[in-house]
Amino acid sequence: ETGVTQSPTHLIKTRGQQVTLRCSSQSGHNTVSWYQQALGQGPQFIFQYYREEENGRGNFPPRFSGLQFPNYSSELNVNALELDDSALYLCASSLWGISYEQYFGPGTRLTVT
Amino acid sequence: DAKTTQPPSMDCAEGRAANLPCNHSTISGNEYVYWYRQIHSQGPQYIIHGLKNNETNEMASLIITEDRKSSTLILPHATLRDTAVYYCIVIRGSQGNLIFGKGTKLSVKP
Repeated sequence: ETGVTQSPTHLIKTRGQQVTLRCSSQSGHNTVSWYQQALGQGPQFIFQYYREEENGRGNFPPRFSGLQFPNYSSELNVNALELDDSALYLCASSLWGISYEQYFGPGTRLTVT
Repeated sequence: DAKTTQPPSMDCAEGRAANLPCNHSTISGNEYVYWYRQIHSQGPQYIIHGLKNNETNEMASLIITEDRKSSTLILPHATLRDTAVYYCIVIRGSQGNLIFGKGTKLSVKP
């Protein structure tokens, strides 16, 4: 198991609501990436954070936003939830400079009804 | 980053070697080959990566052809716990995000 933790494990929200997902990085890691994984698909990159700033973003609208804190933990916020936002949300931590060696958490399963 | 092609699924008998192929015919000289796997209901797990030379670690071996247009991930003695989706990813440099395709679903059978 990696040292990356995510909360909550599961979440059910209603369309139009807002959600915040949390991630704690593996000790010593300073970079956090977030991914969305729809059923039967590979994970899709949302964005990456380093030194509390967004460093790279995938093809996701602005209602997907994030934060990284001084202790390198991170949050993913999604506003105005849509049914298609139902997915597994994965957080991965890494070291800046070798960020392709990423260590993933177990994910948060979000269901939007 | 170069595109990769993997078979959608493969079977392997428990205890035998699992050889997972990946085609990356448009790979550039400075692009690395990374392998991840995702066991059902878990996050992806980094396995191994390489540039030109073959690589081995405690989990697997990575064989890259001399022309670098394809590679094979080898699990020497597959167990039931190796049943997972395996992703081959080609990446330039050392910094950035991972682009996952659909991978190969490996089923290890008793």
